Amino acid sequence: KQEVTQIPAALSVPEGENLVLNCSFTDSAIYNLQWFRQDPGKGLTSLLLIQSSQREQTSGRLNASLDKSSGRSTLYIAASQPGDSATYLCAVRGVDSTGTASKLTFGTGTRLQVTL
Amino acid sequence: GAGVSQTPSNKVTEKGKYVELRCDPISGHTALYWYRQSLGQGPEFLIYFQGTGAADDSGLPNDRFFAVRPEGSVSTLKIQRTERGDSAVYLCASSSTRSSEQYFGPGTRLTVT
Repeated sequence: KQEVTQIPAALSVPEGENLVLNCSFTDSAIYNLQWFRQDPGKGLTSLLLIQSSQREQTSGRLNASLDKSSGRSTLYIAASQPGDSATYLCAVRGVDSTGTASKLTFGTGTRLQVTL
Repeated sequence: GAGVSQTPSNKVTEKGKYVELRCDPISGHTALYWYRQSLGQGPEFLIYFQGTGAADDSGLPNDRFFAVRPEGSVSTLKIQRTERGDSAVYLCASSSTRSSEQYFGPGTRLTVT
């Protein structure tokens, strides 16, 4: 059974700082890995999706890396802003017995606060 | 275009009552997923539809939970004899194919008193 762990559970940084969020997973047989943002009381917004064959993806100030063999991914946020304050969720898409993508398994998230 | 929509946004019900939660996926998306998110936790998979059929219902916690998607678009999650432990945010997602990226709705917050 896939288990996804996110460290730290909460993080507070001053505006402008670069930061790294960590995600680890127990089963390396994955289809892809996705990072989401969730604002309080809201749904999930997809930030970056990394296919199992890829090592990293970038979007603006965000960079996500994937090391499938070690079961790890990181989300790097450059020059953080107060608007980045949210919960960041890592989710791993599994592979079923036919090699087809199966369900998403989520971590418990990292709650980020960027202060002025 | 329109995203995934869910109704109601909030639902308060008494213990033992029956509730229905609705999900309208993105038009043309054949795959539809339900997840449940308890306070302070990540979403947990409940059930996946491909077209009208439930292709994977391994996440449904017990037989009080049931979901349908009769015409391959709108889906309804049904919960019988609700319990306080059912209180959570229920999220719906859809994707164009089974393997493509999932797009999430805003969720329905269910509170069982």
